[in-house]
Amino acid sequence: DSGVTQTPKHLITATGQRVTLRCSPRSGDLSVYWYQQSLDQGLQFLIQYYNGEERAKGNILERFSAQQFPDLHSELNLSSLELGDSALYFCASSVGGDSGNTIYFGEGSWLTVV
Amino acid sequence: DAKTTQPPSMDCAEGRAANLPCNHSTISGNEYVYWYRQIHSQGPQYIIHGLKNNETNEMASLIITEDRKSSTLILPHATLRDTAVYYCIVPGYSSASKIIFGSGTRLSIRP
Repeated sequence: DSGVTQTPKHLITATGQRVTLRCSPRSGDLSVYWYQQSLDQGLQFLIQYYNGEERAKGNILERFSAQQFPDLHSELNLSSLELGDSALYFCASSVGGDSGNTIYFGEGSWLTVV
Repeated sequence: DAKTTQPPSMDCAEGRAANLPCNHSTISGNEYVYWYRQIHSQGPQYIIHGLKNNETNEMASLIITEDRKSSTLILPHATLRDTAVYYCIVPGYSSASKIIFGSGTRLSIRP
């Protein structure tokens, strides 16, 4: 158990809909990262927050947005969902915001768009 | 971020040591080498990291060459549960750096 908690574990929704994925980082970690992993694909970095502020951005679609709240939990919002958005979405956390920190991953949220 | 190169796949007999290589020839002096693994569809798991000296923990050993241009992750007694994709990462030390996962090495442990 990494200490990173993600909810929901599984989610099935229809095209065009909007969903929110939630992440609670490890106790004491200030930085949160979001990754997407499509079937048999690699881990794609989406976005990183550090202490409530956006720190780094990857290949995140405009339909997707994220935020980190004062209690340090984070949410990834996915809207106007398409079939291709079906994937595993991982959240990770680290103590610091620089990339020289060890990051710890949650078990992911499986999103299926039908 | 320094680029890393890993073989796409390897296999190892159960009970033997699994040695996973990684080249990171563009690594700079203050950059760490990190290893993670992902067991099928689970969250990636941190294994070990190092800067210059060899490191060992309860999961693995990390051997870094003197010129730091390559490293080897050693699983001393591989089991079937070690079957996973192993990622070698040199994330750099920049606030703007992103931790990018490459293709990794798919390690298969045969009984």
